[in-house]
Amino acid sequence: NAGVTQTPKFQVLKTGQSMTLQCAQDMNHEYMSWYRQDPGMGLRLIHYSVGAGITDQGEVPNGYNVSRSTTEDFPLRLLSAAPSQTSVYFCASSYFGGYGYTFGSGTRLTVV
Amino acid sequence: GQQLNQSPQSMFIQEGEDVSMNCTSSSIFNTWLWYKQDPGEGPVLLIALYKAGELTSNGRLTAQFGITRKDSFLNISASIPSDVGIYFCAGRSGNTPLVFGKGTRLSVIA
Repeated sequence: NAGVTQTPKFQVLKTGQSMTLQCAQDMNHEYMSWYRQDPGMGLRLIHYSVGAGITDQGEVPNGYNVSRSTTEDFPLRLLSAAPSQTSVYFCASSYFGGYGYTFGSGTRLTVV
Repeated sequence: GQQLNQSPQSMFIQEGEDVSMNCTSSSIFNTWLWYKQDPGEGPVLLIALYKAGELTSNGRLTAQFGITRKDSFLNISASIPSDVGIYFCAGRSGNTPLVFGKGTRLSVIA
């Protein structure tokens, strides 16, 4: 019973590099989302998806891309990393219309 | 966009004391949720509230869905060291994504 799995747990990037943060869930949840957590800012929504092939922007989407080709996976791509993207990233999932999200354990990203 | 104001930002309390925190919204929600985040982990759902006026308990935790639908409260009774962490409120209306407060950081002094 893995729940929501995020990889990697830690990552250091140089400015301008690209990378993909992976998120997978095994609960057959339709809804998946990405949040970033910064000190004093709480959790801010980057992108979300209500099902395979459907994605939408959240509050802070600039600099990030997503796609949802399967129900299980929802990767987050950083196109050209910037120091402002240094943060802890959380993936979350739920049944569509479900009341509570299940969160992964996070990816701590540092851009130097 | 929707805004959630969560207070206080941080609390330092003695073990055994009761704790109260609250969240207010600029718009009406039909669901209020409270999460706790331990260091190095993702948030975990504590309590979900679905109806205005609803009062729900989970062990030493009690949360209420405000009658105006624009606020919610979380109380922790007889705090213990493992209550340390960040508590987040979250709300939603319809099937929109959850909106989170900025969190209340709780420290418990033994």
